[in-house]
Order: sequence, then structure tokens, then C-alpha cells
Amino acid sequence: DAGITQSPRHKVTETGTPVTLRCHQTENHRYMYWYRQDPGHGLRLIHYSYGVKDTDKGEVSDGYSVSRSKTEDFLLTLESATSSQTSVYFCAIRTQGAGEQYFGPGTRLTVT
Amino acid sequence: KNEVEQSPQNLTAQEGEFITINCSYSVGISALHWLQQHPGGGIVSLFMLSSGKKKHGRLIATINIQEKHSSLHITASHPRDSAVYICAVIRGSQGNLIFGKGTKLSVKP
Repeated sequence: DAGITQSPRHKVTETGTPVTLRCHQTENHRYMYWYRQDPGHGLRLIHYSYGVKDTDKGEVSDGYSVSRSKTEDFLLTLESATSSQTSVYFCAIRTQGAGEQYFGPGTRLTVT
Repeated sequence: KNEVEQSPQNLTAQEGEFITINCSYSVGISALHWLQQHPGGGIVSLFMLSSGKKKHGRLIATINIQEKHSSLHITASHPRDSAVYICAVIRGSQGNLIFGKGTKLSVKP
């Protein structure tokens, strides 16, 4: 499972509140990703990181920010959650060499 | 038009049948992933391939780079194969994935 954990696994929050999701990996992979999965849209890239303090935007980055202060942790923050951000969020890492991606177990976020 | 198209969207099969799921893409890629997601479950990488064919147990994946097409085959299908199968292409120097919308497979006993 590439040693990837996500926390929390489930969260319900109210519109307008800040939310931070955490992705933790144990194998020092350089690349980490945040995706969201929605019915009818499939998986879409929010942000990714290619090293400590090195991040870039993906396809659906509006309303989200990320931080990576250490190799093992990649944080996704919703500054002011909206109902449109209700989704399942997956973190992933990419291996060196072959570049295969492995996914965390997911976080189900509901914004009421 | 989506850059990665999968067909069919939904597939119902009887146990034991041979199953094929198709993936076509319209962009240049360095490789392609096939992923599996069980209901309510996580996402598991089945294959990553950039040419030819790979086999793992009853699963076979092929890719034709010139035709921009990949197929996932399941031989002797089983109810535990019921899941969503997702094709994702890898492009760009950062190795970002572009996903198809998935094929929902249901295998009946």
C-alpha cells in the first residue's frame, strides 16, 4: 500500500469553515498529489508537490491550498469550505523510476 | 471532448465470461495506468504500461501507442471482480495523471 495514510477518513463540516486534510507517507517519495473524486467527473487533480515547499496547481485548484514542509506530509486546506467541495479526496504518491502512482485510502468530506 | 474515453461505462457479465474494457486517449502520453476501485473502497493500481502487454493472474492489459488505445481483459470473470475500472494516462514531465470516468463492472454468479 506504499505506506500512505490520510486523516481524517471522514469529516462533516459547515459552509465557511476552514478544513485541513493530511496525507502522510513513510517511504520518502518526492512526488505527492491530491485528487478529488465526484460522480460524473471521475478523479481530478487539485494540487501536486514535487518536493518540500515545491507545489503546483492542478485542474481544479480554486478554493484549495496546499503545503509541504516535510517530505512525508502533504496538507490540503479548504480555506472556507463550500458545498461544492463535498467530495472524496484521495492522496497519491509517485514512485521513482517507473513513476507508478499509489493512492491513499481516501477522505470523505461533507460540507453542509 | 474528454482526453481519455472509456467504454463501456457500465458492464454486466455472468461469472466465467471474458471481459474487455477499452480506453482511448487523444493526447501524447508516456504511460498508462489501469486502476481498480471496489465499492466504497480505495484505488488500487493494477498495471502501468507504456508498450505491448502485461499479465497478472486473470488480468491482461494491452496498449497500442500508435492507435492511442488500451484494453483491459479479465479472463474467467468472478463476482469479486465487480468494481470500477479506471484508465489514466500519464503525461508531462511531472507525471500527472488524466483519468477516464471509469467502467463499472458487475459480475453475476
